[in-house]
Amino acid sequence: GAGVSQSPRYKVAKRGQDVALRCDPISGHVSLFWYQQALGQGPEFLTYFQNEAQLDKSGLPSDRFFAERPEGSVSTLKIQRTQQEDSAVYLCASSLGLGAGVTDTQYFGPGTRLTVL
Amino acid sequence: KQEVTQIPAALSVPEGENLVLNCSFTDSAIYNLQWFRQDPGKGLTSLLLIQSSQREQTSGRLNASLDKSSGRSTLYIAASQPGDSATYLCAVIGGANNLFFGTGTRLTVIP
Repeated sequence: GAGVSQSPRYKVAKRGQDVALRCDPISGHVSLFWYQQALGQGPEFLTYFQNEAQLDKSGLPSDRFFAERPEGSVSTLKIQRTQQEDSAVYLCASSLGLGAGVTDTQYFGPGTRLTVL
Repeated sequence: KQEVTQIPAALSVPEGENLVLNCSFTDSAIYNLQWFRQDPGKGLTSLLLIQSSQREQTSGRLNASLDKSSGRSTLYIAASQPGDSATYLCAVIGGANNLFFGTGTRLTVIP
């Protein structure tokens, strides 16, 4: 079956531009996560959705970052007025979301590599 | 905040060797620990997930152990192959469902 897909795979933006990154989770997965991975580092958590509800956005680095999942499936991560330090790979993951206190495997997409010039 | 450390940062071994990758974490209150593989330009592939109540998990040539009390996990790879070359990431889940990742070990298996 289809895995998690992300688009675009690569994005080059000039400093100050707005960008939108899309994530299509595995069908039926309740939970969706966004992570940021800087070069040579492990991914760092940005935000988490359960269906359409954004339950945790504690990892978003500034108010220039905004994520939504309006119908509980596709999600968009938007970065306004991009800065050079935003350059990274943005990874999306989804999981079944088996309920409170139970954790399950997260399946990752290939990521979007954002380069801000 | 949970801190996850992986040692070594890079490892090069000849084909056929057995090897161990190490992961340590500072907060033992975790739900589970996962080992992932990341190939260049690609996303993460889950290799093994160990629930907090378990001590180890095995899949083929891979064996992962977990010692929650000491905040340590190891990933053992038997009879390494060139196709095992990748970056291996360890991640733990606390109470908020999000994963805390280490910085990874970059493995190269030399034919």
